[in-house]
Amino acid sequence: DGGITQSPKYLFRKEGQNVTLSCEQNLNHDAMYWYRQDPGQGLRLIYYSQIVNDFQKGDIAEGYSVSREKKESFPLTVTSAQKNPTAFYLCASHRTDYGYTFGSGTRLTVV
Amino acid sequence: GIQVEQSPPDLILQEGANSTLRCNFSDSVNNLQWFHQNPWGQLINLFYIPSGTKQNGRLSATTVATERYSLLYISSSQTTDSGVYFCALDTGRRALTFGSGTRLQVQP
Repeated sequence: DGGITQSPKYLFRKEGQNVTLSCEQNLNHDAMYWYRQDPGQGLRLIYYSQIVNDFQKGDIAEGYSVSREKKESFPLTVTSAQKNPTAFYLCASHRTDYGYTFGSGTRLTVV
Repeated sequence: GIQVEQSPPDLILQEGANSTLRCNFSDSVNNLQWFHQNPWGQLINLFYIPSGTKQNGRLSATTVATERYSLLYISSSQTTDSGVYFCALDTGRRALTFGSGTRLQVQP
């Protein structure tokens, strides 16, 4: 079945560490996205990529970085510059005539 | 940027009741979607509906783009309908902007 796979489901980060969240899709979608969700809130856009080797900052990009070396993969790195990284992170992909499809998310906690 | 307002913020229903969720937006849209977020956090795509009306079982949605609103109807609600319902829009920057959601609790 086609879909989006995010890993890990749960991730714990120590203060000052960088961590990378994985997002892989086999839907052959060109566009991919990263969103952050805080408890009781909606989703906010971190970064997005319309094609390989190109990406744009979203509304809350500070403290995050991404790469898009392959169409199938869009990893997100949460750097030590992100002061409040504890949140639920969701990856999505998009096809024009279908809309957006989301992965099952990664819960990141700072310990 | 675009403003997306959802109402009501919270809704409690008895099983079997009907409900209408509303999404108002401040700009013209290329894409509008309704999602259901289940208690485990998974976002399920309910409707891709930039305009018109669609139905899927007990759920239906209507978007009136010229008046900048969309409605999600849930009929004969079930406890499995509980969760958060999000409206999300793409106004041309080719990424979705989300509303703050409607929290629905269906009681048996």
